[in-house]
Amino acid sequence: LAKTTQPISMDSYEGQEVNITCSHNNIATNDYITWYQQFPSQGPRFIIQGYKTKVTNEVASLFIPADRKSSTLSLPRVSLSDTAVYYCLVGDVRNDYKLSFGAGTTVTVRA
Amino acid sequence: GAGVSQSPSNKVTEKGKDVELRCDPISGHTALYWYRQSLGQGLEFLIYFQGNSAPDKSGLPSDRFSAERTGGSVSTLTIQRTQQEDSAVYLCASSLALNRGQRAYEQYFGPGTRLTVT
Repeated sequence: LAKTTQPISMDSYEGQEVNITCSHNNIATNDYITWYQQFPSQGPRFIIQGYKTKVTNEVASLFIPADRKSSTLSLPRVSLSDTAVYYCLVGDVRNDYKLSFGAGTTVTVRA
Repeated sequence: GAGVSQSPSNKVTEKGKDVELRCDPISGHTALYWYRQSLGQGLEFLIYFQGNSAPDKSGLPSDRFSAERTGGSVSTLTIQRTQQEDSAVYLCASSLALNRGQRAYEQYFGPGTRLTVT
């Protein structure tokens, strides 16, 4: 797994867009970028995964620049229920099934 | 459909006792994983099952830890002679078979079992 760096915490208010940037300078050619979300007292939940450019689903968008050395998870119009820890992972999703999370980014959404 | 379930949700045990943690994966998911997550720590891989076999046990921290899976479904993680450092949340995840194009990072987690060893 490539090493990743992301902010420890971010604060936001309801209705705002939250952008979490993850740095992964040593990303390899076969590596994908994956984000998980974890609420207190729950298991992690897969949010989104991408290789390059932009990926969007019903939960979030993932922006990946051409050099792939960083990525940004964008949560549109957050609500209080989006308060959670968000983890960025980088690795070869074809083979490397051993997920490994660091501290993640604790996002706190306030009313 | 039903997600991954784990039982018990909480377990308090005395040091030296054995414990069994159960995981019921999503129906049809042939790959099953055990992890543990300690307070303030990240996620630690323990073991991976494909069907009933465990091709990767590399994350089990000691021979006090063992796991089995029967019928390609339910899995049990057993910790013998528990120690205080075993206290953690034990998470189970499942996914479709990796050799069927499933991306390894898309795993579905249960709620975990919080183990406290006193």
